[in-house]
Amino acid sequence: ELKVEQNPLFLSMQEGKNYTIYCNYSTTSDRLYWYRQDPGKSLESLFVLLSNGAVKQEGRLMASLDTKARLSTLHITAAVHDLSATYFCAVDRSSGDKLTFGTGTRLAVRP
Amino acid sequence: DVKVTQSSRYLVKRTGEKVFLECVQDMDHENMFWYRQDPGLGLRLIYFSYDVKMKEKGDIPEGYSVSREKKERFSLILESASTNQTSMYLCASTSGYEQYFGPGTRLTVT
Repeated sequence: ELKVEQNPLFLSMQEGKNYTIYCNYSTTSDRLYWYRQDPGKSLESLFVLLSNGAVKQEGRLMASLDTKARLSTLHITAAVHDLSATYFCAVDRSSGDKLTFGTGTRLAVRP
Repeated sequence: DVKVTQSSRYLVKRTGEKVFLECVQDMDHENMFWYRQDPGLGLRLIYFSYDVKMKEKGDIPEGYSVSREKKERFSLILESASTNQTSMYLCASTSGYEQYFGPGTRLTVT
């Protein structure tokens, strides 16, 4: 059974600082997703990582995938308040688009 | 833009009622999914469908059923709602690598 662990579960950051969210998963997969969720809202797709060594960047967020280590990271550079949200990673089970989600990381960026 | 819509944003029902949650996508996607989201648990897959009239159980199907009579519509049914089904319900459809999520329905069962 595929398990997906995220850490930390909660992250309070100061504006301007850098930090990394980690996503570990337990079995082989060839697809990993990162989503953002604002309070009371649905999930917004941030990144889809499809292969070992994949790196994608959008603004202050950069995601990477190491399939051998079964690890993905979401790096935040020079955090701003607008990045405050909950971030989820999700791993494809390699059988028809079914995803297993991590528990989420709630990010709060303070001035 | 892909659109996945859900029939209600907020719903309050009583224990024992039959509840229907509707999801519609406008991009002719074959695969559709129902998840529930609870604090500290992330999203968990309830049911999914790869085609019309086809359905498969996800990880937590107990207490739920689904219906897919048309390609664009995937309904989640709570046959007899219970308080432990109070949750946020999210529908999704997929195209290629992307999963598109609806806005969610926050269901409260009293």
